[in-house]
Amino acid sequence: EPEVTQTPSHQVTQMGQEVILRCVPISNHLYFYWYRQILGQKVEFLVSFYNNEISEKSEIFDDQFSVERPDGSNFTLKIRSTKLEDSAMYFCASSEGSGVGADTQYFGPGTRLTVL
Amino acid sequence: AQKVTQAQTEISVVEKEDVTLDCVYETRDTTYYLFWYKQPPSGELVFLIRRNSFDEQNEISGRYSWNFQKSTSSFNFTITASQVVDSAVYFCALSPNGAGSYQLTFGKGTKLSVIP
Repeated sequence: EPEVTQTPSHQVTQMGQEVILRCVPISNHLYFYWYRQILGQKVEFLVSFYNNEISEKSEIFDDQFSVERPDGSNFTLKIRSTKLEDSAMYFCASSEGSGVGADTQYFGPGTRLTVL
Repeated sequence: AQKVTQAQTEISVVEKEDVTLDCVYETRDTTYYLFWYKQPPSGELVFLIRRNSFDEQNEISGRYSWNFQKSTSSFNFTITASQVVDSAVYFCALSPNGAGSYQLTFGKGTKLSVIP
């Protein structure tokens, strides 16, 4: 069964460093998303991406964040200068983009980012 | 603005008991989608169900059933004859149905512990 994959599973970085989180969405899906979950809290939307551009973003997704689809399979989230409060689990998700309502979003296993 | 409330923070039941997880939502949209996801201790987000606002029929899938009541803006989830493997955090989520607007708004989750 197709699934969303994410690498690395755990990333530790120093405050102020840049990190890139990688995702491979399900191959025939057209919409891609990033969410984050601070430990013990709810899952929060960051950004959605369709047709090679951002379609929606939340207030959390400020200038420190960027997304990219560098090739036909990968979808990346870059945090330019990490802060302590960026420590969280980051989930990538993808959906079909059927054009008929909100399709199911399938989530990857997450990348746990720890900023020291 | 969209909002999902899961008032039950934690629930403990003894194996084989039935348990209902509550979800109440707020939205100004006339059409929308509701979802339930399961987050086991391993941390991934597992899709359980998707329901559009037009369809108020209850749904049953094995030991799982969902009760959608538009009049009370609720989408409750019942597990019948609970098992230890059901122990997880369960999230209810809401998505608008606007073109290109599909971000999920999650509730804070209900942690279910099934005791053998």
